[in-house]
Amino acid sequence: DGGITQSPKYLFRKEGQNVTLSCEQNLNHDAMYWYRQDPGQGLRLIYYSQIVNDFQKGDIAEGYSVSREKKESFPLTVTSAQKNPTAFYLCATRRDGGVSEASYEQYFGPGTRLTVT
Amino acid sequence: SQQGEEDPQALSIQEGENATMNCSYKTSINNLQWYRQNSGRGLVHLILIRSNEREKHSGRLRVTLDTSKKSSSLLITASRAADTASYFCATVPAGGTSYGKLTFGQGTILTVHP
Repeated sequence: DGGITQSPKYLFRKEGQNVTLSCEQNLNHDAMYWYRQDPGQGLRLIYYSQIVNDFQKGDIAEGYSVSREKKESFPLTVTSAQKNPTAFYLCATRRDGGVSEASYEQYFGPGTRLTVT
Repeated sequence: SQQGEEDPQALSIQEGENATMNCSYKTSINNLQWYRQNSGRGLVHLILIRSNEREKHSGRLRVTLDTSKKSSSLLITASRAADTASYFCATVPAGGTSYGKLTFGQGTILTVHP
């Protein structure tokens, strides 16, 4: 999982509460991504950020929010508007916006498993 | 949206056998990547193949790409019990400002029995 830290590993919340998932990287990578994974499924992109103070919605951004105030950090907030928040959340980084093979590779954190009851 | 579909959904083999997984996608791509995920963990990048390449090797891995059929395959030779994991293909769309966004398939669960 390299230099990407996601905390906590397991998170439990009551329905109606907002919760923030942490993602920190020491790889000095420009881009950061948040994905959601449901059981037996592939990953779906929630939000991504190419540079500090800029981010874009992914395919399933509704009910989520992010910030990118520092290069190292890309926290994800799961709001009460997210209808089905229980899932495995993965943060990833990408070195830069170049077109080399190394630039396209994404590096993943260990994930946070969120359970909302 | 899920672009890729992987086949088979699950594969069970004996140690020493070869494992082949297939991936299909729908739109034109810049490149296709394969990732591995051990249970409950993050993904690890295995190999990338560009749209103008047809075959690529890395250790015991062999990837092929057929852009006319919009499909790719991952072959793991001489499988080991430690290869047990889920394997995902992921595509980067061609052109535009995709910012290297990956679209993942649903994965193949590989079990290698000792």
